[in-house]
Amino acid sequence: EVHLVESGGGLVKPGGSLRLSCTASGFSFSSYNMNWVRQAPGKGLEWVSSISSSGSFVKYPDSAEGRFTISRDNAKNLVYLEVNSLRAEDTAVYYCARDTDSWSGHFSFWGLGTLVTVSS
Amino acid sequence: EIVLTQSPGTLSLSPGERATLSCWASQRVSNNYLAWYQQTPGRAPRLLIYAASSRATGIPDRFSGAGSETDFTLTISRLEPEDFAVYYCQQYGSFPYTFGQGTKLEIK
Repeated sequence: EVHLVESGGGLVKPGGSLRLSCTASGFSFSSYNMNWVRQAPGKGLEWVSSISSSGSFVKYPDSAEGRFTISRDNAKNLVYLEVNSLRAEDTAVYYCARDTDSWSGHFSFWGLGTLVTVSS
Repeated sequence: EIVLTQSPGTLSLSPGERATLSCWASQRVSNNYLAWYQQTPGRAPRLLIYAASSRATGIPDRFSGAGSETDFTLTISRLEPEDFAVYYCQQYGSFPYTFGQGTKLEIK
């Protein structure tokens, strides 16, 4: 059974940084693209990054470019999201999600999310 | 960036009724790479439809998707109590991937 568990969220001051982790199990991790999607309280979904199965290809929306960095460790079945220069508007639940197929762009498996709160 | 606009914002229906949700794209969605998700409070989204009309694994056949290029719809043929939730469309034909703002399907 596919299992994704996020960790690393918490309360951080504006301008601060966090590293979010997602531990994957139940599938051949190194064969799938992985993604982060966030959801601000009471708001909709926002895609924030994707990384290819090998880690050689990454993508971000403009809102994350330069501040967010996605990476992965295929030996440990981990995907990370480093978030820097945090702003109040980055407050959200951050979900880790797996592509349905090796590279499909739609997400069949999601974690429960980790809450990041940016506040002084 | 492709902007997705969902309509209506809120849809009030009764169990057993048919629901039709719309998603309009500001530009043509490449290869009709349009997905639909369902989200209930406090839970992660659940993939329902991909490639505009293909049902994801385990999704009941009362859910169907249609459309192409810029106009897409999600239809739920006969609403069950567990279908009352928020629905999002997502395009993955080009980066950045984008989501619509959501349609809330509530019990009338």
